[in-house]
Amino acid sequence: QVQLVESGGGVVQPGGSLRLSCAASGFTFSSYDMHWVRQAPGKGLEWVAIIRYDGSDKNYADSVKGRFTISRDNSKNTLYLQMNSLRAEDPAVYYCAKDGAGDSGYFDCWGHGTLVTVSS
Amino acid sequence: EIVMTQSPATLSVSPGERATLSCRASQSVSSNLAWYQQKPGQAPRLLIYGASTRATGIPARFSGSGSGTEYTLTISSLQSEDFAVYYCQQYNNWPRTFGQGTKVEIK
Repeated sequence: QVQLVESGGGVVQPGGSLRLSCAASGFTFSSYDMHWVRQAPGKGLEWVAIIRYDGSDKNYADSVKGRFTISRDNSKNTLYLQMNSLRAEDPAVYYCAKDGAGDSGYFDCWGHGTLVTVSS
Repeated sequence: EIVMTQSPATLSVSPGERATLSCRASQSVSSNLAWYQQKPGQAPRLLIYGASTRATGIPARFSGSGSGTEYTLTISSLQSEDFAVYYCQQYNNWPRTFGQGTKVEIK
C-alpha cells in the first residue's frame, strides 16, 4: 500500500539549516505531485510547498519562500525539503503528502510526520 | 490568499447523533474543497474531495456538500472513532489553505 516515511527532523538553532526526507513506496512516485504540509504544536495545518511530478515546477508558501527548497529524486522515490535560515515560527511537525490525482491539489496520503524544533 | 473559516470551533455530540460541520471560503473555491480527519498524534486522513466525493475506504456516514463559498461535512451517526479534529482545505487557488479546524468531542 501507499507509504510515506519522513525523516531528518530534530533540534536546530535559529538561523540554522535542516534537510527533511520523505521515502515513498507503494505507488508510482514519478507520476505524482508531492507536497510538504506543517503543523505547529497545538495548531492547525499549513501548506508549505509543492513540486511537480517531474520536478519541473515548484511553489511555496510566502512564509517559507526564499528560505526553503523542495526537491525530489524520482530514481530514489524520495522527496526532500531543505530548510535554511530557520526561525522561531518554523517549529512544527512536517508532513509529506501525496497529491490526490496527479495534480489535483488535495492530499490523499500523508506520512507520519517529522518534528522540527528551533531552539538556542 | 483564500481564508477558510470553520464553525463551530468545538462541537459536542453524543454517540449515534448527527454532526454538521461548516466551512466558509472568503471567495468561491468552485467545489475544489477537501475534508480531513485528524486524531491526536496522527497524520490527517482524507475524507472528502471535490466537496462531496468520499475518499477510498471512507464510510458512507461521512458526506460532504456545498458549492461556491459554503460547504458542509455531515457525519450521520457518530461512532466512537469519529471523535477527532476535522479540517477543510481549498485547492482552487494558490496557496492551498486550510480552515482552523473543528473539534468533535463527546457530549
